[in-house]
Amino acid sequence: QQQVKQSPQSLIVQKGGISIINCAYENTAFDYFPWYQQFPGKGPALLIAIRPDVSEKKEGRFTISFNKSAKQFSLHIMDSQPGDSATYFCAASIAGGSEKLVFGKGTKLTVNP
Amino acid sequence: NAGVTQTPKFRILKIGQSMTLQCAQDMNHNYMYWYRQDPGMGLKLIYYSVGAGITDKGEVPNGYNVSRSTTEDFPLRLELAAPSQTSVYFCATMKTRFYEQYFGPGTRLTVT
Repeated sequence: QQQVKQSPQSLIVQKGGISIINCAYENTAFDYFPWYQQFPGKGPALLIAIRPDVSEKKEGRFTISFNKSAKQFSLHIMDSQPGDSATYFCAASIAGGSEKLVFGKGTKLTVNP
Repeated sequence: NAGVTQTPKFRILKIGQSMTLQCAQDMNHNYMYWYRQDPGMGLKLIYYSVGAGITDKGEVPNGYNVSRSTTEDFPLRLELAAPSQTSVYFCATMKTRFYEQYFGPGTRLTVT
């Protein structure tokens, strides 16, 4: 119940295309869903995050869609660029004081020029 | 501000050796975390701390120990290194809930 399942494991998209990464969870106590972006040799960095009181959040070319009833959320990258090539991790956390994040296994995105 | 610093960047250990991975932050964040990252496996939480003097186990604590005597520092101790501890280790900090976790640059550890 503490898992976050992420798919696909890898994704290849042409420049200008839409990249879509999906995550699913079981624990309904999760109430915060961030996405992290990691470039090779670097630590992850927060990209965008959502809380379950909204169904969508957009920041520039990046959008999180959240489906509370299906217990799924996804990251959409519009007009994908070669500079977006990185590994993306979804995550979730539970209220309760420890503030721990549970991470998906990651999606390696390659955007071809 | 340096943010989150980790030392060393790389280390090769022999089986049975011990070492301490250092993590320091200058953001005055209460929450600190140690993760390990293995290829295709995401980030696994080893230990975490919600403030100086308070630590707790994460998902994969076996073979590791931590201490948090100050807000700034959160060292991770490996005792009796094993090949299964070959990984990239990341330290992270967070101000409070719903805020970003800031990750350090990582330590790549190889145990042979």
